[in-house]
Amino acid sequence: VIWMTQSPSLLSASTGDRVTISCRMSQGISSYLAWYQQKPGKAPELLIYAASTLQSGVPSRFSGSGSGTDFTLTISCLQSEDFATYYCQQYYSFPPATFGQGTKVEIK
Amino acid sequence: EVQLVESGGGVVQPGGSLRLSCAASGFTFDDYAMHWVRQAPGKGLEWVSLISGDGGSTYYADSVKGRFTISRDNSKNSLYLQMNSLRTEDTALYYCAKDLSDVEGAFDIWGQGTMVTVSS
Repeated sequence: VIWMTQSPSLLSASTGDRVTISCRMSQGISSYLAWYQQKPGKAPELLIYAASTLQSGVPSRFSGSGSGTDFTLTISCLQSEDFATYYCQQYYSFPPATFGQGTKVEIK
Repeated sequence: EVQLVESGGGVVQPGGSLRLSCAASGFTFDDYAMHWVRQAPGKGLEWVSLISGDGGSTYYADSVKGRFTISRDNSKNSLYLQMNSLRTEDTALYYCAKDLSDVEGAFDIWGQGTMVTVSS
């Protein structure tokens, strides 16, 4: 079983800030990592897969980086619509797919 | 438009059964693996089950193995989850999700979810 540690669990930020969310694996997963955004009452949406590939239609202010055990989601200039909860997910050791605990990005 | 629409959720007593359905449209259904992912109230995401595009391979989370059965009808562009011996800890919003390909493991399209409540 691959253990995932996503941090922070809560991030307070202002519109225009650059924010980063971390996801660390207990063992290497190459680049088999995805990032999702979930807004209250809505289904998750895929932002990034293969660690750094931006899903079609996702704004370019979102970017992903990393490989092996350490990964980062960066939002370069936080917009009001970006306040949401973000999840990382590994699909290297799959099944099962496993998700991080989530990071809630709230207004500071 | 690519779309997934779940149905079949409801309130059921512990030990009961429920069958969830997911209707797919806007893509070639049998080209893609499909998944069920659930989210307990106020909690994170938990992968539940996977079925390959041709239906020949299925996988389950340990928490539901032996109780849940995933299936698909490619002629109807539909995905199903038969849930038996339900427990209170199965209470969650159940999403169907489309795989990026035929068993890659990331999910690019999600339905709106159907709520399952297991309670006496």
